[in-house]
Amino acid sequence: GQNIDQPTEMTATEGAIVQINCTYQTSGFNGLFWYQQHAGEAPTFLSYNVLDGLEEKGRFSSFLSRSKGYSYLLLKELQMKDSASYLCATFTGGGNKLTFGTGTQLKVEL
Amino acid sequence: DTEVTQTPKHLVMGMTNKKSLKCEQHMGHRAMYWYKQKAKKPPELMFVYSYEKLSINESVPSRFSPECPNSSLLNLHLHALQPEDSALYLCASSPGQGTSYGYTFGSGTRLTVV
Repeated sequence: GQNIDQPTEMTATEGAIVQINCTYQTSGFNGLFWYQQHAGEAPTFLSYNVLDGLEEKGRFSSFLSRSKGYSYLLLKELQMKDSASYLCATFTGGGNKLTFGTGTQLKVEL
Repeated sequence: DTEVTQTPKHLVMGMTNKKSLKCEQHMGHRAMYWYKQKAKKPPELMFVYSYEKLSINESVPSRFSPECPNSSLLNLHLHALQPEDSALYLCASSPGQGTSYGYTFGSGTRLTVV
């Protein structure tokens, strides 16, 4: 089965940097996605990591360590519009399934 | 066109009703998915279609019946639902099953069963 854990809530200040962690235990691991979801809206794709290391994309970076079953999403220069739920999701190649973690609700304050 | 379109956006139905949710994409994606999302919970996979064939059914009750008439359309037929089935139903698509390009999600249908 799949077990994907994230902190439930985080609060950060506008302009700051925040790191959202994700740990997973899964079989047939074939990559890890991060999605952003604003309340009442569709999840939107942020990043994909399949190899160990850091992937940078503008203000967002994502890191993966497969041996540790660990990933994080780093958000820089936080803006109010970054207040949303951030979902970590593992991709398991055996069944070609995308399974979401519990999600982290990020609140950005002035 | 880079969107997944879901209709209706909101649906209220009685427990004896039959209704259908519709999903459409014109990106040439060959894999399509149904997810269910309860409030403050992550999306949970229900069904996967790959090349118009059902490839994954996550032990979903038979009161939910998926259908893929062609490569652009995905339906979810609903019959005899329970109040606990009230949720946001999300459709998604990807270029193929087993892809690193990520899934494109629709904005969902918010279903209320009364």
